[in-house]
Amino acid sequence: SQTIHQWPATLVQPVGSPLSLECTVEGTSNPNLYWYRQAAGRGLQLLFYSVGIGQISSEVPQNLSASRPQDRQFILSSKKLLLSDSGFYLCAWRTADTQYFGPGTRLTVL
Amino acid sequence: AQSVAQPEDQVNVAEGNPLTVKCTYSVSGNPYLFWYVQYPNRGLQFLLKYITGDNLVKGSYGFEAEFNKSQTSFHLKKPSALVSDSALYFCAVRDTGGYNKLIFGAGTRLAVHP
Repeated sequence: SQTIHQWPATLVQPVGSPLSLECTVEGTSNPNLYWYRQAAGRGLQLLFYSVGIGQISSEVPQNLSASRPQDRQFILSSKKLLLSDSGFYLCAWRTADTQYFGPGTRLTVL
Repeated sequence: AQSVAQPEDQVNVAEGNPLTVKCTYSVSGNPYLFWYVQYPNRGLQFLLKYITGDNLVKGSYGFEAEFNKSQTSFHLKKPSALVSDSALYFCAVRDTGGYNKLIFGAGTRLAVHP
């Protein structure tokens, strides 16, 4: 069966520091992958999606970037974090018509 | 423009009573509709989906949803609520722009009281 992992689970970072969040999927190949951010425990905002290695599409211009160095690995990065980058970051993968979500990373920028 | 609306910020239900969480959508063509549940500090869990076929869709944990094309609605229902159903519920519709992107509603917090 397929599983999706995210790490770290929680992260506290100072403003201006770099960021790297990782998402990996097991049990499938060439999945569509997605990064979402959830602010204040409510609505989800799609940040990036990827249909293959090295293929990244950005939904919202911002302080973040994404990369897909391997088929089942999706990385969210920032060179300099802002206070507004705080939130709950969710990775998802798609099979058939359905997206399945990872456990999330809680990022607090101080 | 494509959109999903969850008109209720919070729904309060007594344990054992039926529950309904409302969702309406706006999308061109035939909609692909989804419900997800989120417990505190957890990722979203898939509950059910409507793609085609019967308007009444059954999903996980005893939940079901009714697709109504004329009212452009996809309300989530459960005949008898449990305290453990208390969580944040999201309705979503597939973006017709491709890549199976989802458009989410703002979420509805369900509180089931003993």
